[in-house]
Amino acid sequence: IAGITQAPTSQILAAGRRMTLRCTQDMRHNAMYWYRQDLGLGLRLIHYSNTAGTTGKGEVPDGYSVSRANTDDFPLTLASAVPSQTSVYFCASSGLAGNNEQFFGPGTRLTVL
Amino acid sequence: GQNIDQPTEMTATEGAIVQINCTYQTSGFNGLFWYQQHAGEAPTFLSYNVLDGLEEKGRFSSFLSRSKGYSYLLLKELQMKDSASYLCAVRDSNYQLIWGAGTKLIIKP
Repeated sequence: IAGITQAPTSQILAAGRRMTLRCTQDMRHNAMYWYRQDLGLGLRLIHYSNTAGTTGKGEVPDGYSVSRANTDDFPLTLASAVPSQTSVYFCASSGLAGNNEQFFGPGTRLTVL
Repeated sequence: GQNIDQPTEMTATEGAIVQINCTYQTSGFNGLFWYQQHAGEAPTFLSYNVLDGLEEKGRFSSFLSRSKGYSYLLLKELQMKDSASYLCAVRDSNYQLIWGAGTKLIIKP
């Protein structure tokens, strides 16, 4: 693993189904984030975690949940998917040194029908 | 409310110079970032400004004026591979990034 990985790359999901998007980083970064990106809108923060064992709500948390059991993994769960959750989802992480810039995973393209 | 404004789309010619502007109104300021995002890919970090002035990094430079809530990204000697979206983001008082919608830059030969 080099950097951040996300799985799956893409998914088509029926409305009402449960779905977990996976995110793993190997940079030992403390902070991790989940964003969604929709056409014409900026990246919007769904949930974040400043360190293992803690999580916080971002701008658009409704319908999503996260957990941070360890430093490396930060899964995002949609308990009951709805069509408005169709989007591209990016996971990101940042450390505590330097600019604390965020490093992004390759993204998951999710379509809810 | 918090707001980041940048032009939706810009067009420039290969070899030329282009300036992409970003204005912001946020609750607190702890730095401004520019990211590049090619179509279908993840954003990648370009530059960071926390103090007023110009930061130069190769063909790319970024400027910040905190009093005006204004930044720009300057791209010189444009290449076709610079065709991408450029995202402006401000780190607010909660140390979260607030993102602009991005500027799609189209480079023509």
